[in-house]
Amino acid sequence: NAGVTQTPKFQVLKTGQSMTLQCAQDMNHEYMSWYRQDPGMGLRLIHYSVGAGITDQGEVPNGYNVSRSTTEDFPLRLLSAAPSQTSVYFCASKADRAGANVLTFGAGSRLTVL
Amino acid sequence: KQEVTQIPAALSVPEGENLVLNCSFTDSAIYNLQWFRQDPGKGLTSLLLIQSSQREQTSGRLNASLDKSSGRSTLYIAASQPGDSATYLCAVSWGNTGFQKLVFGTGTRLLVSP
Repeated sequence: NAGVTQTPKFQVLKTGQSMTLQCAQDMNHEYMSWYRQDPGMGLRLIHYSVGAGITDQGEVPNGYNVSRSTTEDFPLRLLSAAPSQTSVYFCASKADRAGANVLTFGAGSRLTVL
Repeated sequence: KQEVTQIPAALSVPEGENLVLNCSFTDSAIYNLQWFRQDPGKGLTSLLLIQSSQREQTSGRLNASLDKSSGRSTLYIAASQPGDSATYLCAVSWGNTGFQKLVFGTGTRLLVSP
């Protein structure tokens, strides 16, 4: 049981390049989400999903796309990277849509956009 | 706007001291509140979750309290140890949306000196 796995751990991009941050969980969790963490601003929700085929926007969705074709995977796509997207990205999941289940976080992906 | 604030941003204490970390939130109609720990370069680990109907939760040397009317939560750490050194984050979810959209504070960075 690996929990939430994020790849890559580190990535450097040039402005305008595209890339996908991968997130996979092996706990059969319905809910998955992406956060970004910036100094002095806490973690902010980018996109989330309450099940396969269902996604919605969080607080800071601009510049990011997501899809949820399977329960296990929730990739985050940057179509045209900008320096403002330099951040640490965290994927998190939990078991139920409602209730008190805590979020399980991945170890994070540090992205630098030059 | 629903916001979460943590003060102080940093705290340094000698080993063995009891300490309190503070979290305040702007809307008392919360769904639940969670305390997380984050070690440098790592993901978040959930420490305690308090439902809106609860007043406190305890786990080992940790005790979290919740006062919705005043919009405050505290995390009490007894007999602090150097291994407690980390950033502690408070996160709140509001309403009853059926899923967790957490709003995070910016954290308190704790250093416990031997």
